[in-house]
Amino acid sequence: EDQVTQSPEALRLQEGESSSLNCSYTVSGLRGLFWYRQDPGKGPEFLFTLYSAGEEKEKERLKATLTKKESFLHITAPKPEDSATYLCAVQAGGQNFVFGPGTRLSVLP
Amino acid sequence: GAGVSQSPSNKVTEKGKDVELRCDPISGHTALYWYRQRLGQGLEFLIYFQGNSAPDKSGLPSDRFSAERTGESVSTLTIQRTQQEDSAVYLCASSLGVWSANYGYTFGSGTRLTVV
Repeated sequence: EDQVTQSPEALRLQEGESSSLNCSYTVSGLRGLFWYRQDPGKGPEFLFTLYSAGEEKEKERLKATLTKKESFLHITAPKPEDSATYLCAVQAGGQNFVFGPGTRLSVLP
Repeated sequence: GAGVSQSPSNKVTEKGKDVELRCDPISGHTALYWYRQRLGQGLEFLIYFQGNSAPDKSGLPSDRFSAERTGESVSTLTIQRTQQEDSAVYLCASSLGVWSANYGYTFGSGTRLTVV
């Protein structure tokens, strides 16, 4: 059974304090790993897709990396507007995505 | 439209009543998904439509749940005889196709269902 876990469950950072979020997965035949951002009361917003180990993607202060067992979302010098829940999802053999429970990030000014 | 539209945004219903949730996907998106998100939990897959193919209903939690989609347009998720454990945010997403990974899904803002 495909499984996705994320850690930490919640993270509080000071503005400018860089950190990383972890997504660990167990799937057979990974087709893609996805990162989403979700603000309260809204649907998830797509950030990145990673396909193979060693791949990296960047967008503003965010960088996503992928290994054979996990993905990291690195946040460099975060700002308060980066506060959100970050969701990781994998697509394997099926058509649907399997989502992790998310990491709730708070960036304090 | 420019995005995925869901209605109503909020729904409060009495236990035992039926509810219908609506999703208008992005025009041209052939794939449509329904997910459920309970408070503080991750997204739970419910059902998937792709074009005119038979839907993947493997995530529906019970026979009280059903969904329809007309062609490549609107989808309706129906929950019969609602129970308190059905309270959640129901999210709809659409994508260009089965494997449109570069763009992921585009989600709507969801319908918050509260069963009292």
